[in-house]
Amino acid sequence: QKEVEQNSGPLSVPEGAIASLNCTYSDRGSQSFFWYRQYSGKSPELIMSIYSNGDKEDGRFTAQLNKASQYVSLLIRDSQPSDSATYLCAVSFVGFQKLVFGTGTRLLVSP
Amino acid sequence: DGGITQSPKYLFRKEGQNVTLSCEQNLNHDAMYWYRQDPGQGLRLIYYSQIVNDFQKGDIAEGYSVSREKKESFPLTVTSAQKNPTAFYLCASSYRNEQFFGPGTRLTVL
Repeated sequence: QKEVEQNSGPLSVPEGAIASLNCTYSDRGSQSFFWYRQYSGKSPELIMSIYSNGDKEDGRFTAQLNKASQYVSLLIRDSQPSDSATYLCAVSFVGFQKLVFGTGTRLLVSP
Repeated sequence: DGGITQSPKYLFRKEGQNVTLSCEQNLNHDAMYWYRQDPGQGLRLIYYSQIVNDFQKGDIAEGYSVSREKKESFPLTVTSAQKNPTAFYLCASSYRNEQFFGPGTRLTVL
């Protein structure tokens, strides 16, 4: 059973702080890693994808991948109340054309 | 505008009825997917299709059926055999493993 694990939260951070969201996965053969943001009652929105070890930055978002330790993280710098949402980690495993999703971490950014 | 559309936004079903959820995309993506999301839970894959006229069962296909007669369309039928159909249904299409979601259909059984 291929699994993706996330802490459900909520993770509470003050406005302007760095929010750190973590995700672990079970299959060492995993190739592609994604972060989605989902506001309450809405559909998931792709915000970051990462395919190789290291960091990938896009604006206030940084995705970090460590395949040896089988974890991927998302850092949100200068967190804003509008970042309050559930963040879903998704992993694509070797040989599969589909994603496995974690259950998501709820982030709360307080003004 | 390119994107994925789902209709209806809200759907109410009586016990014993079959209902069909629409999903259309104009992104020219080959692969399409249907997920179900229950409160506080992650996305669970119902069916997926990588090419026209072909589709595969996901993790929770029982009580559901799909068709893929056109590249742009991937409708999902929730049959009366699905015992607990109340959920948020999400359609997605993908390009190079990146999946993009439609706005979803919220189905409620009365």
